[in-house]
Amino acid sequence: DTGVSQDPRHKITKRGQNVTFRCDPISEHNRLYWYRQTLGQGPEFLTYFQNEAQLEKSRLLSDRFSAERPKGSFSTLEIQRTEQGDSAMYLCASSLRRAHPGANVLTFGAGSRLTVL
Amino acid sequence: AQTVTQSQPEMSVQEAETVTLSCTYDTSESDYYLFWYKQPPSRQMILVIRQEAYKQQNATENRFSVNFQKAAKSFSLKISDSQLGDAAMYFCALISRETSGSRLTFGEGTQLTVNP
Repeated sequence: DTGVSQDPRHKITKRGQNVTFRCDPISEHNRLYWYRQTLGQGPEFLTYFQNEAQLEKSRLLSDRFSAERPKGSFSTLEIQRTEQGDSAMYLCASSLRRAHPGANVLTFGAGSRLTVL
Repeated sequence: AQTVTQSQPEMSVQEAETVTLSCTYDTSESDYYLFWYKQPPSRQMILVIRQEAYKQQNATENRFSVNFQKAAKSFSLKISDSQLGDAAMYFCALISRETSGSRLTFGEGTQLTVNP
């Protein structure tokens, strides 16, 4: 297992189109996170899963965004009716569950960069 | 609400020298962790070092160490003997047990340049 994989690495789309990103976490990790990073900013939390259950969602995750982790393994993040403001790097991370959230060591993927024209 | 502030958008250091990156934070919690993450260009973010708020001793990892000032809510990163491979964007981040859930709060980042 070589780490967290994200696909595609870069997606260019026209406004109004739907896009889907995939994340393959480290196989033994039961937690999976999605963050969004805009240019010159730090990542912002979107959502996280423990196994297949989506346990927390940020208010940043509008109703155009949906994330799934159907079998507790890979995850998809879909953005419907994309807007130019959706242009960002979408980061996936995974970790084991620890008693304290700070004890989790997140392993990040390289990200999927979305450009909405 | 929790906040993390990095007031240095850019820093530079000569190879083999020492550089300190600043971070301040705000939280009402007493049980939290602080982190420094490194994000090289076009590569994934990796954890550099972390500090548990209950531990008074400053964390160290090889050439990386922190100066954790809990009362001042300051958490700076010192990189000793800087190497060209240290060039990256560095993010300070915070997570607390009660208010964060499982979400990290990141600062805006500091772009570190290492000059040969």
